[in-house]
Amino acid sequence: DADVTQTPRNRITKTGKRIMLECSQTKGHDRMYWYRQDPGLGLRLIYYSFDVKDINKGEISDGYSVSRQAQAKFSLSLESAIPNQTALYFCATSEPDRAYEQFFGPGTRLTVL
Amino acid sequence: DQQVKQNSPSLSVQEGRISILNCDYTNSMFDYFLWYKKYPAEGPTFLISISSIKDKNEDGRFTVFLNKSAKHLSLHIVPSQPGDSAVYFCAARSETYKYIFGTGTRLKVLA
Repeated sequence: DADVTQTPRNRITKTGKRIMLECSQTKGHDRMYWYRQDPGLGLRLIYYSFDVKDINKGEISDGYSVSRQAQAKFSLSLESAIPNQTALYFCATSEPDRAYEQFFGPGTRLTVL
Repeated sequence: DQQVKQNSPSLSVQEGRISILNCDYTNSMFDYFLWYKKYPAEGPTFLISISSIKDKNEDGRFTVFLNKSAKHLSLHIVPSQPGDSAVYFCAARSETYKYIFGTGTRLKVLA
């Protein structure tokens, strides 16, 4: 079984809809991250969490919110989706003393029409 | 403003030869640099890292070189194998412990 899982893997939605992307991990890591990947722009950090009570904004947090329900779960929400949020979204985890080695999930491809 | 740049979107190399992937950065406060490899339909996987206090780190066929004065790092793969064909991202850690990724270079190793 995969250490970092993301659901759904693919989602098509309409402008204005609320969407939640979920991430679960079995690695026991405290740190979790949400990134989005766009063609020509690489990976950009949306939010990150160093533990359940520590959540921080990344480079591009506008239009997104997160919830760290437990050490193993970190959800990303789009309250009112817009077309420029169409992207590939990745969740990642890491250990505090090896934070440079992030373990990524398989990604969620989100299309907002 | 892109703080970490990979100016070559793609690179093709013959099997057995050396692959050199380049990355430039602008922030002199970055203290850790890494390379990730990504296959289609999968998340990126960590490949190799280097601290800003070093200029070289080697792991098997993979070597990363850091030139701080030029704000440049490179990944060397020797010898290149067809299984190395993937997108490679460089990334740098900022003083606030965030990771800034480059735009990626697609490497194709030709058999």
